[in-house]
Amino acid sequence: DAGITQSPRYKITETGRQVTLMCHQTWSHSYMFWYRQDLGHGLRLIYYSAAADITDKGEVPDGYVVSRSKTENFPLTLESATRSQTSVYFCAALTRTGGLSGANVLTFGAGSRLTVL
Amino acid sequence: RKEVEQDPGPFNVPEGATVAFNCTYSNSASQSFFWYRQDCRKEPKLLMSVYSSGNEDGRFTAQLNRASQYISLLIRDSKLSDSATYLCVVDQGGKLIFGQGTELSVKP
Repeated sequence: DAGITQSPRYKITETGRQVTLMCHQTWSHSYMFWYRQDLGHGLRLIYYSAAADITDKGEVPDGYVVSRSKTENFPLTLESATRSQTSVYFCAALTRTGGLSGANVLTFGAGSRLTVL
Repeated sequence: RKEVEQDPGPFNVPEGATVAFNCTYSNSASQSFFWYRQDCRKEPKLLMSVYSSGNEDGRFTAQLNRASQYISLLIRDSKLSDSATYLCVVDQGGKLIFGQGTELSVKP
């Protein structure tokens, strides 16, 4: 399994401040993802990355920036935090199961709980 | 319309009941399908993949209907430990989209 480490686990910030959430995988899986989870919305995809230096928008990318200079790191930055960005953020990496199906499986980090005051 | 939609919850069932969750997806090019389980706002974990022919894992059965763009999860003989939120996930060529989840509460 990919070990996914997220930091910080908890963060309180103020409106307008820049915040960066870190995500690190101990392996070198190509695909990585950032989701946010809010009551009533489930997990919504913010950005994903197929490999180093390749990133794509997800369902709700506005207000967020990502980078992927190294395969193992995928930081998410809120350039000017807003109250609507208060949420739990999950980073994940895509692993491939063995066997004939070769299905993709997401392994998640423990989440980062962000509060924007 | 959301790309992946699930039955609204919560489902409250007694122990031993059979419960079914449904999920529809809008992108016909979707390639793979999964059910994840999430406990108390912890990280989601894979419950099972969904194969075209349908598949079973103990008390859990998953089915896929590509023509109707529909996925289901059946839980037989519900246990208290099955209480969680069940999330439908659709893989659109590496872009994995979640449904909003359906909460299940199994009561003694």
